[in-house]
Amino acid sequence: DIQLTQSPSFLSTSVGDRITITCRASQGISSYLAWYQQKPGKAPKLLIYAASTLQSGVPSRFSGSGSGTEFTLTISSLQPEDFATYYCQQLNTYLFTFGPGTKVDIK
Amino acid sequence: EVQLVESGGGLAQPGGSLRLSCAASGLTFSSYNMKWVRQAPGKGLECISYISSSSSAIYYADSVKGRFTVSRDNAKNSLYLQMNSLRAEDTAVYYCARVSGEKMGAFDIWGQGTMVTVSS
Repeated sequence: DIQLTQSPSFLSTSVGDRITITCRASQGISSYLAWYQQKPGKAPKLLIYAASTLQSGVPSRFSGSGSGTEFTLTISSLQPEDFATYYCQQLNTYLFTFGPGTKVDIK
Repeated sequence: EVQLVESGGGLAQPGGSLRLSCAASGLTFSSYNMKWVRQAPGKGLECISYISSSSSAIYYADSVKGRFTVSRDNAKNSLYLQMNSLRAEDTAVYYCARVSGEKMGAFDIWGQGTMVTVSS
């Protein structure tokens, strides 16, 4: 099974900051990776798929990069509505496993 | 509006059963593979079941294999999850999600979730 790790697990940051979250896969998955945002009590929301393609309607301050085993999600200038938990997900096998999540909180 | 709406959650006793439903609207349900994803309180996301558009391919996570059964009725635009032999560790919010082939299999549409609590 493909395992995903995310770092950091928790990020305390401020509005306007640039942040980067890293997702590592236990084996190569090409570009078969997605990123989701989840706010408390809500369903996850797709942000990025194919490692770097922005989902329709998602602000351009979000970007993704990487391939193989290492991927990043970057938010160029954090907005108040971006404080949430972020998950990566591998799309390489039918299990579609998620990473453990990164909680982005207000400093 | 494209929408998925789950129902059927609630309180069940250990060893009991529940059947979850996911009603789809605003989309050609029969064209899409579907997933059930759950999230235990304060925990991360776990994919537990996959069903292809024609029901020809079905997969389960090891944690639910042999106890849960996924099915769909394309004529009724509905997805189901029959949960038997429930355990305390099955307590979670259960989401259905659309698997988008155009987006490399990413889950682009999610339901609002239905809470399942397993407790005596």
